[in-house]
Amino acid sequence: EAGVAQSPRYKIIEKRQSVAFWCNPISGHATLYWYQQILGQGPKLLIQFQNNGVVDDSQLPKDRFSAERLKGVDSTLKIQPAKLEDSAVYLCASSSLKGMNTEAFFGQGTRLTVV
Amino acid sequence: SQQGEEDPQALSIQEGENATMNCSYKTSINNLQWYRQNSGRGLVHLILIRSNEREKHSGRLRVTLDTSKKSSSLLITASRAADTASYFCAVSGGSYIPTFGRGTSLIVHP
Repeated sequence: EAGVAQSPRYKIIEKRQSVAFWCNPISGHATLYWYQQILGQGPKLLIQFQNNGVVDDSQLPKDRFSAERLKGVDSTLKIQPAKLEDSAVYLCASSSLKGMNTEAFFGQGTRLTVV
Repeated sequence: SQQGEEDPQALSIQEGENATMNCSYKTSINNLQWYRQNSGRGLVHLILIRSNEREKHSGRLRVTLDTSKKSSSLLITASRAADTASYFCAVSGGSYIPTFGRGTSLIVHP
């Protein structure tokens, strides 16, 4: 079974530029998460999708971050404009809906550096 | 908001020794998951334990859950240098959203 795929692996941009990250979850997984992990901290949830609907985006800085999952499969996370403090690893995870009490599997992440 | 808090923050042991790390949380949960993260890599899922379970094993890993104390522990037996990593617990409450703590950094010296 293929895992969660993310691209790109690394991205360096200047502040005020825009950037987009892509995630392809495990096949058949209805739930998709985006997390932000700042160096030395644990991952922090940005947004959760169930199929193509948003379940929780309470911690997403909506003035600059946006995310979509149009067909309930792939997802993109965008930052526009980027700030220095957005430097972090952006992790995508997915889980199945089966019983809800199931594991969340993570991709390798995209390491973003804003200079 | 609900999140797990790992203890200790850092742990340094010799190869062959056992490593124990703990996770505490504040409100009721549906499940608790343990993850490993090597430097610069993604999170690898280790074990999920549900609120009605008390203990689970996977190879050299043993996870316990005490809902009365709102705590969990992860035991790695006969540790290896390759176990060097950060370990995170993620708790899920009513929304089933995994919420992470800051992690325990484990160093296993060969």
